[in-house]
Amino acid sequence: NAGVTQTPKFRILKIGQSMTLQCAQDMNHNYMYWYRQDPGMGLKLIYYSVGAGITDKGEVPNGYNVSRSTTEDFPLRLELAAPSQTSVYFCASSLIDRAYETQYFGPGTRLLVL
Amino acid sequence: AQSVSQHNHHVILSEAASLELGCNYSYGGTVNLFWYVQSPGQGLQLLLKYFSGDTLVQGIKGFEAEFMRSQSSFNLRKPSVHWSDAAEYFCAVGARQTGANNLFFGTGTRLTVIP
Repeated sequence: NAGVTQTPKFRILKIGQSMTLQCAQDMNHNYMYWYRQDPGMGLKLIYYSVGAGITDKGEVPNGYNVSRSTTEDFPLRLELAAPSQTSVYFCASSLIDRAYETQYFGPGTRLLVL
Repeated sequence: AQSVSQHNHHVILSEAASLELGCNYSYGGTVNLFWYVQSPGQGLQLLLKYFSGDTLVQGIKGFEAEFMRSQSSFNLRKPSVHWSDAAEYFCAVGARQTGANNLFFGTGTRLTVIP
């Protein structure tokens, strides 16, 4: 299994541009998450999905959109990039089994907005 | 609101020294507890987790952590650090909310190991 994969690894955007960060997992996990990590900070949840067609906001959703058309993919969309969105973005997935859950993380996408 | 505190922002140890990283959390309900490690330029790797049962949990790479409910703490320990342990360590609390088990992360502790 490849686990959780993310593309691209690094991207530079100009203010106002849009882009989609890709995330895929091949573990048949039902839950998927997007986090952002700012320098010197922990990860903050942007959006999450409990299954195909179901998404919900996390702690810091403003400026982002998500969709979940398949179990495997969970893309994150930035419509109008702003310098405040400069960050490292991590995608994660998990399988809910009774009360237990462990999130598995991708390698991250580093985004710079200038 | 949930919160996770890691009071040590940067720890510097000599190789073979013992390690203890503190983690305290604030949450009124049932929690799951995790420690993740992040090497430079890499994603997060799970070190260990606590859901229930024995409060002393063993993880990978010789790490262990002890859940102390009375102190709302989940401290990470390793008897003897190796240069390869240099990384950023994150404590996280999973709090079950409607529809998902969201993770709340501490701000991380950077470990530097001097050969």
